[in-house]
Amino acid sequence: GQQLNQSPQSMFIQEGEDVSMNCTSSSIFNTWLWYKQDPGEGPVLLIALYKAGELTSNGRLTAQFGITRKDSFLNISASIPSDVGIYFCAGHLHYGGATNKLIFGTGTLLAVQP
Amino acid sequence: DGGITQSPKYLFRKEGQNVTLSCEQNLNHDAMYWYRQDPGQGLRLIYYSQIVNDFQKGDIAEGYSVSREKKESFPLTVTSAQKNPTAFYLCASRKSTGQGRAKDTEAFFGQGTRLTVV
Repeated sequence: GQQLNQSPQSMFIQEGEDVSMNCTSSSIFNTWLWYKQDPGEGPVLLIALYKAGELTSNGRLTAQFGITRKDSFLNISASIPSDVGIYFCAGHLHYGGATNKLIFGTGTLLAVQP
Repeated sequence: DGGITQSPKYLFRKEGQNVTLSCEQNLNHDAMYWYRQDPGQGLRLIYYSQIVNDFQKGDIAEGYSVSREKKESFPLTVTSAQKNPTAFYLCASRKSTGQGRAKDTEAFFGQGTRLTVV
């Protein structure tokens, strides 16, 4: 199945550091979503982006919808131990008509050392 | 409170048995999805349904079956034909699949069911 290229695959950082991850695709998306998954739980929606070039913040999180509509990035500033988890991007792919799919990235595992 | 609920949280299955995982939502969402997640892996789509009484196979449908008799419910049956069923199963729902407001395309997930074959 189709998946987005998400990088890095994993990150091990010190508390207080900033984090950046991104997703790229060969397809154009009309919506980008970023999720966080805690161990043993379902993913929780963090940020949604609807327009090319859009920059949206949610607390220490900032995400941008790429101008080309083929990429998106997520930044976390001043990381804390509870930021630990797997971060997924997802793009909404509009095929036209009634066919639409939500495509997920492969995930970025974030570990934060106190 | 509106939300999407999966049950049970943990499920153990013997070899050769069928088991059914429950997914219920009270968000009035039209579309519902089942994903499988293996350790350290991303999400793989098993089945999805965009409307009651209709569903389509995803990328890894073999060994699974679903039904969508009610808008609120989308149970997943893991059959004995699924050779490697041990995994974390996630159910998700969306208001619509893209012809309406952009915000309606946001997907919300349940808490997951961890299935183990013993």
